[in-house]
Amino acid sequence: RKEVEQDPGPFNVPEGATVAFNCTYSNSASQSFFWYRQDCRKEPKLLMSVYSSGNEDGRFTAQLNRASQYISLLIRDSKLSDSATYLCVVVTNTGNQFYFGTGTSLTVIP
Amino acid sequence: GAVVSQHPSRVICKSGTSVKIECRSLDFQATTMFWYRQFPKQSLMLMATSNEGSKATYEQGVEKDKFLINHASLTLSTLTVTSAHPEDSSFYICSAREHRGRGSYNEQFFGPGTRLTVL
Repeated sequence: RKEVEQDPGPFNVPEGATVAFNCTYSNSASQSFFWYRQDCRKEPKLLMSVYSSGNEDGRFTAQLNRASQYISLLIRDSKLSDSATYLCVVVTNTGNQFYFGTGTSLTVIP
Repeated sequence: GAVVSQHPSRVICKSGTSVKIECRSLDFQATTMFWYRQFPKQSLMLMATSNEGSKATYEQGVEKDKFLINHASLTLSTLTVTSAHPEDSSFYICSAREHRGRGSYNEQFFGPGTRLTVL
């Protein structure tokens, strides 16, 4: 079983739409969680960390559900510039093993 | 965020040659650096974890004699692909974790990647 499972999409949504991505993980002892954004042929860049209490940064909201072992990313009022691949990352309790999801491709359409 | 550089950004080589890729943390000290490989339309796959001054830890299925990693200082790690073959063609990305200070402990800062093409 994969450490991290993520729906690859693609998600094609109109501007202004709300879109949500989920990611499930298999190791219940996982310690830290992140969402990264990767543009085509570029390196991933940290979008936001995911905390148990949930966190929000502008139009982006990340949540963690430890009981069901999944993390989510919600994007409100989608912009064209949000088009990218979104990668979830799960870090083991040792802190040294990072597992990436396959990435979810988002295209925001005018 | 912190800056990580990689060199070269792109390399094309003949089959059988060796290629060295450098990863540098420019404005911070990185006790740990990670090397990833990404094939088209796939996610990043961790190849190895490199700690300064010690041997790298390789992920299952990654040949340590083929992918030589050296982490000689707190700001530099190198990956050498020895006797490269066309199937080694990929996007190689390094990342670094800061020794202390900015960002959460587990935050990684990624280099821009090196696109390797083996003919």
